[in-house]
Amino acid sequence: DAGVIQSPRHEVTEMGQEVTLRCKPISGHNSLFWYRQTMMRGLELLIYFNNNVPIDDSGMPEDRFSAKMPNASFSTLKIQPSEPRDSAVYFCASTGQSFSSYEQYFGPGTRLTVT
Amino acid sequence: DAKTTQPPSMDCAEGRAANLPCNHSTISGNEYVYWYRQIHSQGPQYIIHGLKNNETNEMASLIITEDRKSSTLILPHATLRDTAVYYCIVRGTGANSKLTFGKGITLSVRP
Repeated sequence: DAGVIQSPRHEVTEMGQEVTLRCKPISGHNSLFWYRQTMMRGLELLIYFNNNVPIDDSGMPEDRFSAKMPNASFSTLKIQPSEPRDSAVYFCASTGQSFSSYEQYFGPGTRLTVT
Repeated sequence: DAKTTQPPSMDCAEGRAANLPCNHSTISGNEYVYWYRQIHSQGPQYIIHGLKNNETNEMASLIITEDRKSSTLILPHATLRDTAVYYCIVRGTGANSKLTFGKGITLSVRP
């Protein structure tokens, strides 16, 4: 199994540009999570999906952030417009049974730099 | 979900056991103790979890005190590759229960 796949691994963009981060969960997993990690705030849950439906987006920082999961094998996190304070590592994770399943599998992350 | 308290860092010698403590004095009866770790520049990795009994798997052992207010993660024979940040997380099983990562404890394994 290839594990959770994220792309791109690194993204550098200018303030005001649109950024799209992509995630492919492990095949057969039905819950998907987006996290953000910064030195100041640590690892924060942004949003999670169960069976492609967004369940809780209370961690999404503001309207500039949006996430979609059009099918079971693909999700996107979009930032429009991007700002320097969005610079962080963004992780996607998936889990197989239900939201409360004990083991979340994390991808390698996308390191986003907004200048 | 209950909060956890971990010391910021510790070190141990390669080949020795690493005992990582965690306090969770406000844990409630249906909440589990989870441990994840994050090696530099990688995503977090699940290690183990438990409710009240001690647990062991191929990676580690988890010892939970009888009153469940604290626990210890034991890496029996630490290697240099175990150098990482270790997160102790308390989490329920309800639909709105999330993995909330704190600052964790940085374990440094020295040669």
